[in-house]
Amino acid sequence: AQSVTQLGSHVSVSEGALVLLRCNYSSSVPPYLFWYVQYPNQGLQLLLKYTSAATLVKGINGFEAEFKKSETSFHLTEPSAHMSDAAEYFCAVSENFGNEKLTFGTGTRLTIIP
Amino acid sequence: DVKVTQSSRYLVKRTGEKVFLECVQDMDHENMFWYRQDPGLGLRLIYFSYDVKMKEKGDIPEGYSVSREKKERFSLILESASTNQTSMYLCASSLGLSGSGNEQFFGPGTRLTVL
Repeated sequence: AQSVTQLGSHVSVSEGALVLLRCNYSSSVPPYLFWYVQYPNQGLQLLLKYTSAATLVKGINGFEAEFKKSETSFHLTEPSAHMSDAAEYFCAVSENFGNEKLTFGTGTRLTIIP
Repeated sequence: DVKVTQSSRYLVKRTGEKVFLECVQDMDHENMFWYRQDPGLGLRLIYFSYDVKMKEKGDIPEGYSVSREKKERFSLILESASTNQTSMYLCASSLGLSGSGNEQFFGPGTRLTVL
């Protein structure tokens, strides 16, 4: 069975600082990995995904994530935080066969300090 | 752009009522999903459907049923609403090609309150 752990339910960073949101996964087969963002009162929007091509994945709004098989991690980073990055972020894993079901982590709420 | 719409943004119902949550996608996707989102628990899968009239239970199907009579529409039904079903409900769809890493596209959510 697949699972996702997001360390830190709340993260606060200063505007302009590095953003690091952590995600570790467990999967019995090579996974597909996703980061989604949810702005207040909205649905989820895809930030980026890893599908076994390049291990460093670039997404929208300057975010990127690196797949590290040895560490079973897929941490999300952004070099310089913007006020508009304040949102909740979800990491998700899908096995690379089957019906595209996703297993989500519990989410990390990112607060940006002016 | 893929668009997933949900029939209501906010809904208030009474305990024991039958509740229908509707979801429509406009991109001919094979797969559709219903999740509930609760603080600290993330998104949990209730049911999903990979074809018309086909459905499978997710992780928390108790107290819910679903219907998919047309490819574009996926309904979530609460047969007898209870207060512990107060939550945000999110619908999603995906293309449906197995093994291709397709992402899910989400609707805006329905915040259901059961009194």
